[in-house]
Amino acid sequence: EPEVTQTPSHQVTQMGQEVILRCVPISNHLYFYWYRQILGQKVEFLVSFYNNEISEKSEIFDDQFSVERPDGSNFTLKIRSTKLEDSAMYFCASDRDSYEQYFGPGTRLTVT
Amino acid sequence: AQKITQTQPGMFVQEKEAVTLDCTYDTSDPSYGLFWYKQPSSGEMIFLIYQGSYDQQNATEGRYSLNFQKARKSANLVISASQLGDSAMYFCAMRVSLSNQGGKLIFGQGTELSVKP
Repeated sequence: EPEVTQTPSHQVTQMGQEVILRCVPISNHLYFYWYRQILGQKVEFLVSFYNNEISEKSEIFDDQFSVERPDGSNFTLKIRSTKLEDSAMYFCASDRDSYEQYFGPGTRLTVT
Repeated sequence: AQKITQTQPGMFVQEKEAVTLDCTYDTSDPSYGLFWYKQPSSGEMIFLIYQGSYDQQNATEGRYSLNFQKARKSANLVISASQLGDSAMYFCAMRVSLSNQGGKLIFGQGTELSVKP
């Protein structure tokens, strides 16, 4: 069964450093998403991406964040200068219609 | 504003019994989808069941069923014959604007289910 993959599974970084979280969505999917979940809280939408551009972004997704689909398979989330409050689980998701959205296993980001 | 509310932070159920996890939603969009996801302690998000706003019948997937009451704006998850492996966090989510540009999911706060042997 096809699945969304994410690397790394855990990333530790120092405050102020740049991080890139990587995702490989399911190959025939058209829509891609990033969500985050601060420990013990609900899952929050960050950004959606379709047809090589951002289709929607939340208030959380400020100028420190960017997304890219550098080739036909990868989908990346970059945080330019990490803050302590960026520590969270980051989920990538993809779908091809309005039905099930497939989530990756997540990347746990720890900012120290 | 679009919102999902899960009022039960934690629930207990005896193994083999049924349990209902509550979810209410708010949207003025006539076209939407409702989802339930399971998040075990390992952290991944596992899709359980989906209900579209125009679906006439309640969705079922194995031991999971969704009690969809449109007028009440509720979409409760019913798990029948609970198993120890059902112990996890459960999130209700909604997707609006079912357009050809996809649509974000809006999540509730979650309900932590514990199944007792």
